[in-house]
Amino acid sequence: DAGVTQSPTHLIKTRGQHVTLRCSPISGHKSVSWYQQVLGQGPQFIFQYYEKEERGRGNFPDRFSARQFPNYSSELNVNALLLGDSALYLCASSLALKSGAAYQETQYFGPGTRLLVL
Amino acid sequence: DAKTTQPPSMDCAEGRAANLPCNHSTISGNEYVYWYRQIHSQGPQYIIHGLKNNETNEMASLIITEDRKSSTLILPHATLRDTAVYYCIVRLFSSGSARQLTFGSGTQLTVLP
Repeated sequence: DAGVTQSPTHLIKTRGQHVTLRCSPISGHKSVSWYQQVLGQGPQFIFQYYEKEERGRGNFPDRFSARQFPNYSSELNVNALLLGDSALYLCASSLALKSGAAYQETQYFGPGTRLLVL
Repeated sequence: DAKTTQPPSMDCAEGRAANLPCNHSTISGNEYVYWYRQIHSQGPQYIIHGLKNNETNEMASLIITEDRKSSTLILPHATLRDTAVYYCIVRLFSSGSARQLTFGSGTQLTVLP
């Protein structure tokens, strides 16, 4: 079975430009989450989408936006790039399973897109 | 979400069991314990998760103490390819809210030949 796929694998941009990163979830998964991982740190949550609706947003500026398409694939857009946006951008897909009053949800990550802003 | 504490680094001899501890003393009753690992420059890989009972799969075993305040991830026969950063994450997933994972610093496990 195909896992989460992301494109491109690497990208070089200059300050002020914008970038679009793409993610295809595991077949059957309806939720996609985006994370940013700066060198030397753990991944930080950016967005989560479920059934094309934004379910949550992390502490990132409005320059970051995302959307989810009817086929559950997703795009992450970053405008007005800064040097500090250089990072590994990770996409994770998941399938929530209800267990009593709570949900358990295992997120499966893609290989990431490495963005370098010069 | 409950905060987790992990040692920053550990070494393990190849072929021996690697036991990675995690403290989550403020865990609540419905919070799950998840383990992920990240090999250098790759996306995090799901390993295992549990709520109360010990769990085992083809990759590892998860031992959760009876009071649920700590857990141990066990890799029974570590290989060089198990060298990675291991993250212990505690998360309550509730209906309608964002279900993000909050990663800490993790434990850098180095398997030595």
